[in-house]
Amino acid sequence: DAGITQSPRHKVTETGTPVTLRCHQTENHRYMYWYRQDPGHGLRLIHYSYGVKDTDKGEVSDGYSVSRSKTEDFLLTLESATSSQTSVYFCATGNTEAFFGQGTRLTVV
Amino acid sequence: DQQVKQNSPSLSVQEGRISILNCDYTNSMFDYFLWYKKYPAEGPTFLISISSIKDKNEDGRFTVFLNKSAKHLSLHIVPSQPGDSAVYFCAAALTGGGNKLTFGTGTQLKVEL
Repeated sequence: DAGITQSPRHKVTETGTPVTLRCHQTENHRYMYWYRQDPGHGLRLIHYSYGVKDTDKGEVSDGYSVSRSKTEDFLLTLESATSSQTSVYFCATGNTEAFFGQGTRLTVV
Repeated sequence: DQQVKQNSPSLSVQEGRISILNCDYTNSMFDYFLWYKKYPAEGPTFLISISSIKDKNEDGRFTVFLNKSAKHLSLHIVPSQPGDSAVYFCAAALTGGGNKLTFGTGTQLKVEL
């Protein structure tokens, strides 16, 4: 698992509430990524980070923000959760061959 | 705009035979290609990759072929085993672009006894 831990693994939340997902890595990788997986879309990049306090938007960043205050932690925040954000979220680290965490299944009701 | 496409949502093969998974891309700037394997309730795991300067890369039972002129790559698994049953994602990257991966939609491979 390349030292990647995602928390929580499962979460059910109500529409309009803020939600934060956490990714923790132990390999000291510079790059970290958040993807979401949805049927018919594969995995799509939400945000990524290339170092502490250096982040950038991915393909589907609307409604999401991220923070990286330490090399090992990359947080994904849904400012106000919507049903369209029901998905499986994966954190990844590494260089070109990214290593993925086990995922967080988020349900927005 | 799907830049990486896997047109076969599913594939079924018999144990011991060859599995061929296909992937097409539209962005000619991509210069690195990868295959990931995913089991249910787990994260994707890296399988094999190929740089655009090569046309073939082999690792045990897995071989990836790249045809740049056709913007097409394929993954061959020989011989296929029941444990290979999983979803396979093709991904592409620009190595100078922050190593961000663009994924296809995946192909569900089922290897039958």
